[in-house]
Amino acid sequence: AQSVTQLDSQVPVFEEAPVELRCNYSSSVSVYLFWYVQYPNQGLQLLLKYLSGSTLVKGINGFEAEFNKSQTSFHLRKPSVHISDTAEYFCAVSGWGRDSYDKVIFGPGTSLSVIP
Amino acid sequence: KAGVTQTPRYLIKTRGQQVTLSCSPISGHRSVSWYQQTPGQGLQFLFEYFSETQRNKGNFPGRFSGRQFSNSRSEMNVSTLELGDSALYLCASSLVSAYNEQFFGPGTRLTVL
Repeated sequence: AQSVTQLDSQVPVFEEAPVELRCNYSSSVSVYLFWYVQYPNQGLQLLLKYLSGSTLVKGINGFEAEFNKSQTSFHLRKPSVHISDTAEYFCAVSGWGRDSYDKVIFGPGTSLSVIP
Repeated sequence: KAGVTQTPRYLIKTRGQQVTLSCSPISGHRSVSWYQQTPGQGLQFLFEYFSETQRNKGNFPGRFSGRQFSNSRSEMNVSTLELGDSALYLCASSLVSAYNEQFFGPGTRLTVL
């Protein structure tokens, strides 16, 4: 079974500063990894995903994430945040082993607050 | 292309009642997943349907059920509502499986009194 840990429940950061949101996962099978963003009173929107290939994944709105298999991590980064990045961010994992086909497990979320 | 729609957006029910929530996926999407989101438990996977068949199920009691129709629209039903069922219920659709990009609807906010 897969699980996802997001170490920081809340991350305050000043506008135009860099940010890293941490995500670690555990899985006994190969995984696909995702970052989703949820703005207030909305559903989730995909930021980026890692399926295979290059471990550095670029997404929308200037975000990127790096898959590190040895550390079982998939941290999300942005070099310069904007007020509009204030939202809840969810890391998610989907395994594709024998008993875990397509089930997507979400982490608890990290609330990013950008301070003007 | 229209996004994922969920109806109703808000619901207020009392304990013991049952409720049915509806989800219309993006046209052409065959996979529909349901999630429960609460402040305490976060996002929890309920079930996934593909071609009218439940393909995956989370760890929820049998009071939570769902179905998918031939046009890929999906419904979920919760019977004998409990206070703890108060949550935002999110539906997500994807082309074939959840590892494709999932497109989420705005959710149905269920309040159980």
